[in-house]
Amino acid sequence: QSVLTQPPSVSAAPGQKVTISCSGSSSNIGNNYVSWYQQLPGTAPKLLIYDNNKRPSGIPDRFSGSKSGTSATLGITGLQTGDEADYYCGTWDSSLSPGMVFGGGTKLTVL
Amino acid sequence: QVQLQESGPGLVKPSQTLSLTCTVSGGSISSGSYYWSWIRQPAGKGLEWIGRIYTSGSTNYNPSLKSRVTISVDTSKNQFSLKLSSVTAADTAVYYCAREPGWVGPSYYFDYWGQGTLVTVSS
Repeated sequence: QSVLTQPPSVSAAPGQKVTISCSGSSSNIGNNYVSWYQQLPGTAPKLLIYDNNKRPSGIPDRFSGSKSGTSATLGITGLQTGDEADYYCGTWDSSLSPGMVFGGGTKLTVL
Repeated sequence: QVQLQESGPGLVKPSQTLSLTCTVSGGSISSGSYYWSWIRQPAGKGLEWIGRIYTSGSTNYNPSLKSRVTISVDTSKNQFSLKLSSVTAADTAVYYCAREPGWVGPSYYFDYWGQGTLVTVSS
């Protein structure tokens, strides 16, 4: 049971747009920055979004992030078959048991 | 370009201590302000943060693992290490090391990751 809640899977056709949600609470998303990671099969996670909506150098602007209250969203436009991967959200949890926490991951299928 | 590389035994017996090392190249582990973390992922499951060490040597651990985890740094070798004691089959996972920027306090994201190393706990 992950601290942050993500849908197990999403799917869309090539060229379309998809969003992935990440729901938390006031002790994590509500008061801390959110990051997003892409994990292609058999590889390490790769940073896609940090500080809610910033993209590291080299990440195309097809990827975007937003946050509202205790939820965050990753958006991907112009879907490509190469975007098929698992996506994870992450943030710091400031509760009585503080630490970095992640969502359970969302499998994106590009139909 | 910063690179991280995990190393250590791929098989550990139950009740023993898992020991892994992360070697950082392309930059000094003690220069700048960074946190160095260990994260694991059981097969087919999500990511779990284990803990981190700051450039200064201070540490933070996942409360659920705190009693069994020690993270240390060896600046002379540009490495940081993980020790997880009293392992069980539930500790079988791919273990990643990762870097977290920390110029003005922790930044709560990981910008560089190692490729990961599979550790199996079995007799």
